[in-house]
Amino acid sequence: GDSVTQMEGPVTLSEEACLTINCTYTATGYPSLFWYVQYPGEGLQLLLKATKADDKGSNKGFEATYRKETTSFHLEKGSVQVSDSAVYFCALIPSYDKVIFGPGTSLSVIP
Amino acid sequence: EAGVTQFPSHSVIEKGQTVTLRCDPISGHDNLYWYRRVMGKEIKFLLHFVKESKQDESGMPNNRFLAERTGGTYSTLKVQPAELEDSGVYFCASRALLAHEQFFGPGTRLTVL
Repeated sequence: GDSVTQMEGPVTLSEEACLTINCTYTATGYPSLFWYVQYPGEGLQLLLKATKADDKGSNKGFEATYRKETTSFHLEKGSVQVSDSAVYFCALIPSYDKVIFGPGTSLSVIP
Repeated sequence: EAGVTQFPSHSVIEKGQTVTLRCDPISGHDNLYWYRRVMGKEIKFLLHFVKESKQDESGMPNNRFLAERTGGTYSTLKVQPAELEDSGVYFCASRALLAHEQFFGPGTRLTVL
């Protein structure tokens, strides 16, 4: 079945460090890919998305590119801030269907 | 436009008791989903409503869980009787017809003692 794998962390970075959270997926067909974020005490928010191969999603300085050849959707940010501390979930939607989530990566950014 | 809302935000109950969670989707969204994250593991799908009909309930763990969506608006998820392993965060999401994006609520944190 369809699945998502991501590095589980926890990840601890200093402010202004570079971030990469790896995400790979297994899916039949052509799913849409997403990154969701959950800040402490809040619900899930959509961070960015890509709906087809080679699309790049971006938001709040975060980027991820839909790579069909490597079945990957790695999340990157050039300079993290303390306010980026959260749990990040890579996810896919096979079609108009349920979201399939990765296990989540906890990120802590220290001043 | 109001987002997806869930009630309560937290619930602490004892093993064997009953708890009912409520989700109000974004107005006009026919699709409503329930998910849960147990013990810090991945978020897993429970079920999917299209209006008042259950489209997919393959993720429901057992018959102690009952979901309803009378009238195709808000939905409830009842756990009866609750067990320790039911502790976790229960998320609701809604989606408009022919859209990919699901909008999530803040979740209900359920603790079963």
